[in-house]
Amino acid sequence: AQSVTQLDSQVPVFEEAPVELRCNYSSSVSVYLFWYVQYPNQGLQLLLKYLSGSTLVKGINGFEAEFNKSQTSFHLRKPSVHISDTAEYFCAVSTASGSRLTFGEGTQLTVNP
Amino acid sequence: GAVVSQHPSRVICKSGTSVKIECRSLDFQATTMFWYRQFPKKSLMLMATSNEGSKATYEQGVEKDKFLINHASLTLSTLTVTSAHPEDSSFYICSASVLAGSDTQYFGPGTRLTVL
Repeated sequence: AQSVTQLDSQVPVFEEAPVELRCNYSSSVSVYLFWYVQYPNQGLQLLLKYLSGSTLVKGINGFEAEFNKSQTSFHLRKPSVHISDTAEYFCAVSTASGSRLTFGEGTQLTVNP
Repeated sequence: GAVVSQHPSRVICKSGTSVKIECRSLDFQATTMFWYRQFPKKSLMLMATSNEGSKATYEQGVEKDKFLINHASLTLSTLTVTSAHPEDSSFYICSASVLAGSDTQYFGPGTRLTVL
């Protein structure tokens, strides 16, 4: 079984500041890793995913994440955030053998002016 | 591409009634669809996985007679909450993947169910 831990439930930052949302996972098999964003009362939108290859993954809206196998982490970063980035962010993992997703508890990113 | 819709977006019903939620893949054929439930300020909890033409696989603790799932075609899955009660009030989200074992799920916008 897999599990995902998002270390921060809430992250407040000022506009144009850098941000890092932390995610750690545990699994006994190889995994695929995902970051999703959810705006209020909406479904989830895929930001980026790691399947294999380069450990630095670039996604939409200027976000990127780095897969660190030794630390079992997949932290999400953005060098300069905007007010519109305010949302809930979910880290998720699935095994290579299927697409069942296990989600972390989510991190609420709030960007203040 | 890869758009998933849900209908209705929100529904209010009386206790004891049944509610059907539709999930459609608009521009692709979805061999597998997933149904999630999300409580306020909480993460998504997988309820069941459905493959077109076969019975859904329910997660432990999810009552299959309470939450009926039908995946009759490659573009439509339905979730029926039978004899709904206030504790069934929640945000229900579906997702779809193109291929069995595919790495990416595409999510619908969700359905807010309120049971009075």
